[in-house]
Order: sequence, then structure tokens, then C-alpha cells
Amino acid sequence: AQKITQTQPGMFVQEKEAVTLDCTYDTSDPSYGLFWYKQPSSGEMIFLIYQGSYDQQNATEGRYSLNFQKARKSANLVISASQLGDSAMYFCAMREVNTGNQFYFGTGTSLTVIP
Amino acid sequence: DTAVSQTPKYLVTQMGNDKSIKCEQNLGHDTMYWYKQDSKKFLKIMFSYNNKELIINETVPNRFSPKSPDKAHLNLHINSLELGDSAVYFCASSQGGYLNEQFFGPGTRLTVL
Repeated sequence: AQKITQTQPGMFVQEKEAVTLDCTYDTSDPSYGLFWYKQPSSGEMIFLIYQGSYDQQNATEGRYSLNFQKARKSANLVISASQLGDSAMYFCAMREVNTGNQFYFGTGTSLTVIP
Repeated sequence: DTAVSQTPKYLVTQMGNDKSIKCEQNLGHDTMYWYKQDSKKFLKIMFSYNNKELIINETVPNRFSPKSPDKAHLNLHINSLELGDSAVYFCASSQGGYLNEQFFGPGTRLTVL
């Protein structure tokens, strides 16, 4: 089974609108971390935000927030007030205690912001 | 100060050649990784390594081998390059603990002709 599933290969959003990128995960480990990365067309991988499995509140970093729904095993990324520079690939990832230092990445979602 | 650096940034070579990609991190992290990203942007873990353990993705051909001279470096050696090896290779590092993120290098675009 896939550890991380991103079901949206491509998404479009109007500039200044909010957008939600979906991510579901699969684990039986009670201790895990969830991460989002951005990869613009220039190619570098940029860490955006993380959420720990025991965190009670959703993580936020500027315009990024992580909508963590533990019972549903989802960790959606919400980008508010989209900007043209948000156009990029976005990857969801998970790290579990039981599998040591391994990270599991989803297949990514390509976001295009329309002016 | 670059946290995770890779050299070279671009590598163009002929089929059958042997090549290496170097990676260095100055973050004091205890684990380093190599990933392959194909043309569809899929990120595939190839290796993870700390000073105690090398974990190899079983699907990685044995033509690929990581070499770690010290904790701050994890180089990737590729023997007998094939056309299918063309991809972007990322080095990354992290500290232990499930809440610590990975830091990625800028990537090396390998083209095999």
C-alpha cells in the first residue's frame, strides 16, 4: 500500500484565491511527522511546513497551513491568497518512528496560479 | 553558507561510462539520502545512510553505490551508465527524529547519451 497518496496530479487556482492540496497517508505507527515541500520550475526542493502526529493544533507558516485530520489520515496543505510564485510541484511526505529515518513521498501535485 | 551542496549541477556522459556525484552537508545531520527524480517528477529513495546503517532500496541496481568518507559527505557512484539513468539526483540530509525535515541539495541533472 502507498504510504502517501496525492490524488490531484494538477490543480489550477486564481491569483489571490485559496487552494487546498490533498494528501492522505497510511501508517499504524502512533508517532509520525507529515511534511510538505515545494518544487518550483527551477528544481530545488523547498521545505514548507510540518505537522507532528501528537500536535493538537494545525500547523501554520505564513500563507501555508496544514489541515490535519488524524482520524481521516489526511494532511492537506492550504495556501491562502495564492501568488504567481506559488506555481510549482508540491510534495507531501511522511516520516515514521518505526521505519527509522525513512521519508515517504507522494507523487506530487502540480499547482498553476492563473493571473 | 550552503546547507547541502552537490557537484556537479549538470552531468552529460556516454552510455557505459562510470561517474560520481558528490554531496556535502554542513548542518551536522546524522543521516544522508540519495533520491532519483524522473521526468514525471516521481521522487524515488535510493539510499539512506547514517554512521551506523546503510539502507538500500531493493529496486536500485547494484551499479549504484553510495560512499561516505565521513559524516558530512555521501557520494554517489554509478557504474556502466545506461540511458534509463538519466534523471535528476538529489542529495538530502536530516537529523534523527520523526519531526525533523529533510534538507535537499540543488540536484544534479544527469543525461546519458
